[in-house]
Amino acid sequence: NAGVTQTPKFQVLKTGQSMTLQCAQDMNHNSMYWYRQDPGMGLRLIYYSASEGTTDKGEVPNGYNVSRLNKREFSLRLESAAPSQTSVYFCASSEASGLAGTDTQYFGPGTRLTVL
Amino acid sequence: QKEVEQNSGPLSVPEGAIASLNCTYSDRVSQSFFWYRQYSGKSPELIMSIYSNGDKEDGRFTAQLNKASQYVSLLIRDSQPSDSATYLCAVRGTDSWGKLQFGAGTQVVVTP
Repeated sequence: NAGVTQTPKFQVLKTGQSMTLQCAQDMNHNSMYWYRQDPGMGLRLIYYSASEGTTDKGEVPNGYNVSRLNKREFSLRLESAAPSQTSVYFCASSEASGLAGTDTQYFGPGTRLTVL
Repeated sequence: QKEVEQNSGPLSVPEGAIASLNCTYSDRVSQSFFWYRQYSGKSPELIMSIYSNGDKEDGRFTAQLNKASQYVSLLIRDSQPSDSATYLCAVRGTDSWGKLQFGAGTQVVVTP
């Protein structure tokens, strides 16, 4: 099992360019999440998908869109990149079988994005 | 006010000593608490979860939860250089199913 995979690992964009970050999990998990991590800020939730076919905004959704393509895949799109979106992006997934309190999130390796 | 607070560190710990990390949270109805370890340049990795007041031990790690005082702590006994990492505290409340609030993390440096 690969767990949670993310592509690309590194990306440099110019202001105004667009790109899609890809995430896939092979653990048959129901829920998937996108976070960004900035120095001194911890992990902040951008969007999440509680189950296939649903998506919801997290703490910092502005400037991003998501697509839950199927149960395995959850993509994050930057339509017009800005320097403030320079960050490390992590995708995570969890089983979300109904025991919400014990639900554990597993993280992908991350994408390091720089917007010039 | 941040919802989950941690000292940023760095916390310098001699090899073999006990590292003590603290985390406080503001949502009184929070139910689930997690400690993740993150090595530099890597992704967070779950090391402990705790749901009830008291202590929970797993190997060299002990998590302690006090809901009345709204804090959760992590003890690392017999600290090793491989424990040098940033430790993230995460909290889940009852009104945000599945979602976690993370602290900014405490950097631990174990010195030989």
